[in-house]
Amino acid sequence: DAGVTQSPTHLIKTRGQHVTLRCSPISGHKSVSWYQQVLGQGPQFIFQYYEKEERGRGNFPDRFSARQFPNYSSELNVNALLLGDSALYLCASSAHASGRGGYEQYFGPGTRLTVT
Amino acid sequence: AQSVTQLGSHVSVSEGALVLLRCNYSSSVPPYLFWYVQYPNQGLQLLLKYTTGATLVKGINGFEAEFKKSETSFHLTKPSAHMSDAAEYFCAVGSNTGKLIFGQGTTLQVKP
Repeated sequence: DAGVTQSPTHLIKTRGQHVTLRCSPISGHKSVSWYQQVLGQGPQFIFQYYEKEERGRGNFPDRFSARQFPNYSSELNVNALLLGDSALYLCASSAHASGRGGYEQYFGPGTRLTVT
Repeated sequence: AQSVTQLGSHVSVSEGALVLLRCNYSSSVPPYLFWYVQYPNQGLQLLLKYTTGATLVKGINGFEAEFKKSETSFHLTKPSAHMSDAAEYFCAVGSNTGKLIFGQGTTLQVKP
C-alpha cells in the first residue's frame, strides 16, 4: 500500500501570494493532520480533520485554512504569504482521531515551501 | 498543558557505542508518548510508542525506550550505534485532542 503522499514536493512563492498544498492519506485512514516544521525545530500542529470535519486547530493565524474531501484527501491553504511561512509542511494520516492521541500518525515526505 | 523537552540538541557517538537520547514530558493526564526519526529531506518515521502496559517499549531498528512516570521521562536507547542511525530524532506526546506535541529534536551524529 502507498504511504501518505504530498504534492508538490517543493514550492517557491513570493510574499503576499497564496499557496495550496495537497495530501492523500493512507488508504482506509480517515484522519489527516497538518504540521509546520521550521528549520531546526520540531513540527508544530496546524490542523486536524476527521471525516471531513475540523477536529483541532493549532495556534496559527486565519491566513491558514484547510479542508478534507469525501475521499479523505486534504488541502492546506495559506494566504498572504510571509517570509516566516517558509517551512516544511508535513501531512500525517491516522485511522482515528478521537481519544487521547494514542493512535499512530504516519507522515508524508512533506512539502518544502520557500517564500521570497 | 502538555509539553516535551529533549535534552541535548546534538549528540555524537562512535559507531558501536550506546545511543541515549533524552526526553522529558509534562502532562496532567497519563501520556501517550512517541519517538520519531527524520532523515534528511524526508518526513517523520515512527520508531516506537508507549500507550499503556509495559513500560519498556521496543521499536524498529533496535531502538527501545522506557517510560518512567516518577521521572516524567521517556529516553530512547540503542545498544550499538550504526552509521545509518545518523538522523534527527523527535520525542512527542499525544494530546487529549489527538494532536502530537513535539520536542525540539536531537541530531544524532555517528562517527566511524
